[in-house]
Amino acid sequence: EAGVAQSPRYKIIEKRQSVAFWCNPISGHATLYWYQQILGQGPKLLIQFQNNGVVDDSQLPKDRFSAERLKGVDSTLKIQPAKLEDSAVYLCASSLVPRNTIYFGEGSWLTVV
Amino acid sequence: AQRVTQPEKLLSVFKGAPVELKCNYSYSGSPELFWYVQYSRQRLQLLLRHISRESIKGFTADLNKGETSFHLKKPFAQEEDSAMYYCALSEDGNKLVFGAGTILRVKS
Repeated sequence: EAGVAQSPRYKIIEKRQSVAFWCNPISGHATLYWYQQILGQGPKLLIQFQNNGVVDDSQLPKDRFSAERLKGVDSTLKIQPAKLEDSAVYLCASSLVPRNTIYFGEGSWLTVV
Repeated sequence: AQRVTQPEKLLSVFKGAPVELKCNYSYSGSPELFWYVQYSRQRLQLLLRHISRESIKGFTADLNKGETSFHLKKPFAQEEDSAMYYCALSEDGNKLVFGAGTILRVKS
């Protein structure tokens, strides 16, 4: 079974630029998550989708971060404009349904200079 | 607010020695507790969850509600256990709150 796919794996941008990350969950998984992992910290949930609806985006900095999952399958996370403190690994994860095992992608490493 | 504390950033043990990775949490309800592991150059993956009460790769963890702890234990460490270990909490089995992680290094 193919795992959660993410791209790009690595990205370096200057502050105030924009960046977008793409995620394709495991086939059939209705629940999709985006986590942010800053160096030295555990992952922090940014947003959770159930199909194409948002379940929880309470920790998403909405002034600069946006995410969508228009067709209930793959998802895009965008940052505009980026700040230095956005340097982190952005992890996408999915589960068949809520309360089921969560599977993580390899992550997209972002460096803002 | 939910909070997960892993007091050790690094735990170094010799092969064959017992291992205990500590995890304490703060949550007023009845949470679900998990241990996730990330081996070198691999993705984060579930190791075990307390409701399953199972042993995975020789690891066990018991939820102690009185001490609000969920320590991960293994009686005899192996070199392939070297990895980053994260304790995580969920109030509904869904949204996960992670600790900062502990690096386990098993020396030969």
